[in-house]
Amino acid sequence: EVQLVESGGGLVQPGRSLKLSCVASGFTFSNYGMNWIRQAPGKGLEWVAYISSGSSYIYYAETVKGRFTISRDNAKNTLYLQMTSLRSEDTALYYCARRATEGIGNWFAYWGQGTLVTVSS
Amino acid sequence: DIVMTQSPSSLAVSAGETVTINCKSSQSLLSSGNQKNYLAWYQQKPGQSPKLLIYLASTRESGVPDRFIGSGSGTDFTLTISSVQAEDLADYYCQQHYSYPWTFGGGTKLELK
Repeated sequence: EVQLVESGGGLVQPGRSLKLSCVASGFTFSNYGMNWIRQAPGKGLEWVAYISSGSSYIYYAETVKGRFTISRDNAKNTLYLQMTSLRSEDTALYYCARRATEGIGNWFAYWGQGTLVTVSS
Repeated sequence: DIVMTQSPSSLAVSAGETVTINCKSSQSLLSSGNQKNYLAWYQQKPGQSPKLLIYLASTRESGVPDRFIGSGSGTDFTLTISSVQAEDLADYYCQQHYSYPWTFGGGTKLELK
């Protein structure tokens, strides 16, 4: 069974940093691209970042480019999101999500339960 | 960026009804290479993570009931739920998986009448 377990969220002041983690199990982590997707309270879904299976391809949403860094450790089956210069508008539930299949398209077959990031003074 | 526009934003239904949710993209999601439309649908129940229902516009994910039907091509897509059940009350999102940045529609809230 595929499992994605996020952690690292919390309350942080504007301008500070936070690092999220997502531990994967139930599949060969090194074979799949991974994503971070967020959902502000009461709002819709926003894709944040993508990293390919071997970390060769990395993409970011414009709203986080230059502030967030996605990375992965395939030996530890873990996905990361380093967030810096946090703003109130980054407040959201952050999900990690696995790409369904390598090859065509980037749709999200599996999602974690999310970790909540609150940016407030 | 491809903008995804869903309608309606909310929908009140009675059990047993058939409902239609629309999703329009600002650019065609049809790949000329394989003639597939790169559009997915997700269901999100209160307090839960989103769940994949449909991908490539009309392919049902394993385990998804056949009352969920995805259709459409190019820029206009539809999610039809036949004979709505109480367990189908949720938010529904479309997502284009054609090109970066991957974008979602604003969502449709399905409520009980």
